[in-house]
Amino acid sequence: AQRVTQPEKLLSVFKGAPVELKCNYSYSGSPELFWYVQYSRQRLQLLLRHISRESIKGFTADLNKGETSFHLKKPFAQEEDSAMYYCALRGYQKVTFGTGTKLQVIP
Amino acid sequence: SQTIHQWPATLVQPVGSPLSLECTVEGTSNPNLYWYRQAAGRGLQLLFYSVGIGQISSEVPQNLSASRPQDRQFILSSKKLLLSDSGFYLCAWSGTAYTGELFFGEGSRLTVL
Repeated sequence: AQRVTQPEKLLSVFKGAPVELKCNYSYSGSPELFWYVQYSRQRLQLLLRHISRESIKGFTADLNKGETSFHLKKPFAQEEDSAMYYCALRGYQKVTFGTGTKLQVIP
Repeated sequence: SQTIHQWPATLVQPVGSPLSLECTVEGTSNPNLYWYRQAAGRGLQLLFYSVGIGQISSEVPQNLSASRPQDRQFILSSKKLLLSDSGFYLCAWSGTAYTGELFFGEGSRLTVL
């Protein structure tokens, strides 16, 4: 079975503060991990994936297989980062999402 | 370019009535197709996925069913709606390669009264 856990429903930070959205997963095989974001009144869309090892909008995420984690980080939060963030795991054919974390950046 | 369309956008139905939500993808062939339900505090719950015509995998036993009558068409149905079926339903597609992102539709808001 594959499972994704996002322990925080809401994360509030001040503008300019660092951000870390936590994600832990459970999967017996070799997983592919993603972060998706949903801005207000927009479709859910891909933010980044672990195999690309890229930084998107200042966000990065590193897959830690030892800790089975894929935390999303940004050194300095911006107001436009306020959104709903979902961690997702793609196993064989199936994609499982976490419960999501709402990020609120306070001006 | 590829696009995904989902309809209706909103639907209000009485308890016990049937349901049909449709999703179509354009600009690609043989996509993997998915139905999710999005609920506050519960994230995206995978309901069904399909890797080909007539091939449906169910994740959650419930009052709903799915069908894929054509390569790029995915339908979510119910014969008799329950109050608990109310929610926001999302259709998504991905390429058939093992790795790949999901592309989501705009969603369908179902209210069962």
